[in-house]
Amino acid sequence: ETGVTQSPTHLIKTRGQQVTLRCSSQSGHNTVSWYQQALGQGPQFIFQYYREEENGRGNFPPRFSGLQFPNYSSELNVNALELDDSALYLCASSPGTSPSEQFFGPGTRLTVL
Amino acid sequence: RKEVEQDPGPFNVPEGATVAFNCTYSNSASQSFFWYRQDCRKEPKLLMSVYSSGNEDGRFTAQLNRASQYISLLIRDSKLSDSATYLCVVKAAGNKLTFGGGTRVLVKP
Repeated sequence: ETGVTQSPTHLIKTRGQQVTLRCSSQSGHNTVSWYQQALGQGPQFIFQYYREEENGRGNFPPRFSGLQFPNYSSELNVNALELDDSALYLCASSPGTSPSEQFFGPGTRLTVL
Repeated sequence: RKEVEQDPGPFNVPEGATVAFNCTYSNSASQSFFWYRQDCRKEPKLLMSVYSSGNEDGRFTAQLNRASQYISLLIRDSKLSDSATYLCVVKAAGNKLTFGGGTRVLVKP
């Protein structure tokens, strides 16, 4: 086990709703990256947080936002959910911003109906 | 064109056989390369980094060809437990990892 935890494991929402996903990083890691993995595809980079600041963002709209807390845990918030937001959301922690290795959590599976 | 492209497979491999597959990347400024393994409905896990001179880790061999912008993974003496999706991962400058869509490998008795 990597020591990275995510909650909840599964979530069902309807279009237009808002969702918050949570991630606790591995001990000693100050960087958390979030990814979206649609079925049958590879993970797509959403954004990264380092010491409570956003430190890089992928091609995702502003309704995807995040936070990092002083203990380096993190939240991913998605507003105005769309059907295409249905995916596995993965967070990964690393000891610094240049990820020679990122340790992934088990993911949160979000279904939008 | 996708930044990182992989043959989705599946590659059906008899147990004990050798299988190899490639991944191409479009950004010539890419600096670091990795293979991750993802089991069904699980999170990705680092299998190995890929170095310029090529590198081996047990039954797994990774190669990098910068001129043609591809990396490869070879698995020798395939085990049933090698059945998984193998994700090619590329890092350019900065902190973003770009994943390919994955190559599915099924090892059969």
